[in-house]
Amino acid sequence: AQKVTQAQTEISVVEKEDVTLDCVYETRDTTYYLFWYKQPPSGELVFLIRRNSFDEQNEISGRYSWNFQKSTSSFNFTITASQVVDSAVYFCALSVKAGANSKLTFGKGITLSVRP
Amino acid sequence: EPEVTQTPSHQVTQMGQEVILRCVPISNHLYFYWYRQILGQKVEFLVSFYNNEISEKSEIFDDQFSVERPDGSNFTLKIRSTKLEDSAMYFCAIQRGGLTDTQYFGPGTRLTVL
Repeated sequence: AQKVTQAQTEISVVEKEDVTLDCVYETRDTTYYLFWYKQPPSGELVFLIRRNSFDEQNEISGRYSWNFQKSTSSFNFTITASQVVDSAVYFCALSVKAGANSKLTFGKGITLSVRP
Repeated sequence: EPEVTQTPSHQVTQMGQEVILRCVPISNHLYFYWYRQILGQKVEFLVSFYNNEISEKSEIFDDQFSVERPDGSNFTLKIRSTKLEDSAMYFCAIQRGGLTDTQYFGPGTRLTVL
């Protein structure tokens, strides 16, 4: 069975601070896919990134960056120079299939509050 | 631009009543999913649907739940006899297919069972 652990439950930072959201995953499958989704106060789930297990290259997208380390089964998410609009719940998720039956297993989420 | 919409946005019902939640993809998609999120908790998988049949379902998806795609477009989740514990946000997710594809979520339907 798959498992995603987001040990941090709530993080509060002041605007412009950098913040890292941790994600640790468990799976016995050698091929898997990792995701981050953002859930703003309005409630929708917004896709941020998808990473394949065979691609450990870190990724940067504007103020967002992701650090994937297979050795520690972690897929951490860093927001640089945080902004108030970054306030949301962030979910890490795992899938062990592509295409049909690629259900997502979510972590419990991290509530990020960015204060002005 | 959203890939999928859901109706209604909020549904209030009495315990024991049937509800139907609808998911309307904007364009062609192959795979459909329903997830639920009880308030303040994590998102949980309910069921996946491909080629007009259920591909996989979780233990949450018991006999009270059913899914179908009646007109080849809308994808529906029916709860036959709602219980208080069914109160949650229900998300539809769609996926076009392919090894690099991703699930995109609808805005959700908030179900309140009184």
